[in-house]
Amino acid sequence: AQKITQTQPGMFVQEKEAVTLDCTYDTSDPSYGLFWYKQPSSGEMIFLIYQGSYDQQNATEGRYSLNFQKARKSANLVISASQLGDSAMYFCAMSLGAGNNRKLIWGLGTSLAVNP
Amino acid sequence: GAGVSQSPSNKVTEKGKDVELRCDPISGHTALYWYRQRLGQGLEFLIYFQGNSAPDKSGLPSDRFSAERTGESVSTLTIQRTQQEDSAVYLCASSLSAEYNEQFFGPGTRLTVL
Repeated sequence: AQKITQTQPGMFVQEKEAVTLDCTYDTSDPSYGLFWYKQPSSGEMIFLIYQGSYDQQNATEGRYSLNFQKARKSANLVISASQLGDSAMYFCAMSLGAGNNRKLIWGLGTSLAVNP
Repeated sequence: GAGVSQSPSNKVTEKGKDVELRCDPISGHTALYWYRQRLGQGLEFLIYFQGNSAPDKSGLPSDRFSAERTGESVSTLTIQRTQQEDSAVYLCASSLSAEYNEQFFGPGTRLTVL
């Protein structure tokens, strides 16, 4: 069964420190994509970073990096130099299948609080 | 507009009534997705459009749910005979095409069924 697991319901981090949000996935499909989205209290869903299953290198976008360990089926998000504005819900998601189906399967999210 | 827009932003309805939720994707985006997010939960996929056709309706929870898209732009999600368990935020997203990685989300419609 295709599934995304985020085991940390809530995380705290001190401002300016780095934090890792965990995500494991389960699929037998060889072609898939992994996404991280941020959802602030205002509710909008903001795309952060993407990793394709065939990508050789870990994805990076500014302060965000994705620690992709294919054998372990994990795709952890690393946020460096945390800022107060990083406080939000973070969702890991997976897209499946070749061709034209890009529906996303989502984890339950991790609530991150950045302390001043 | 610059982003995906959805209307209404909030909808309160009585059990048994029908509701229509609207999504305006980013201009030029051919793929459109509907998701449901219950309180404190992740997103559930409902339906996906490529152009005006819906290759994947697998997430629609019951036959009370339907969606259409016209002119490769606006989409409406209709829920008939609403039930209390339909209460959720309904999110719409669009992307350049189904092959494009990033989905851009609208602000959602918060539906409350009394």
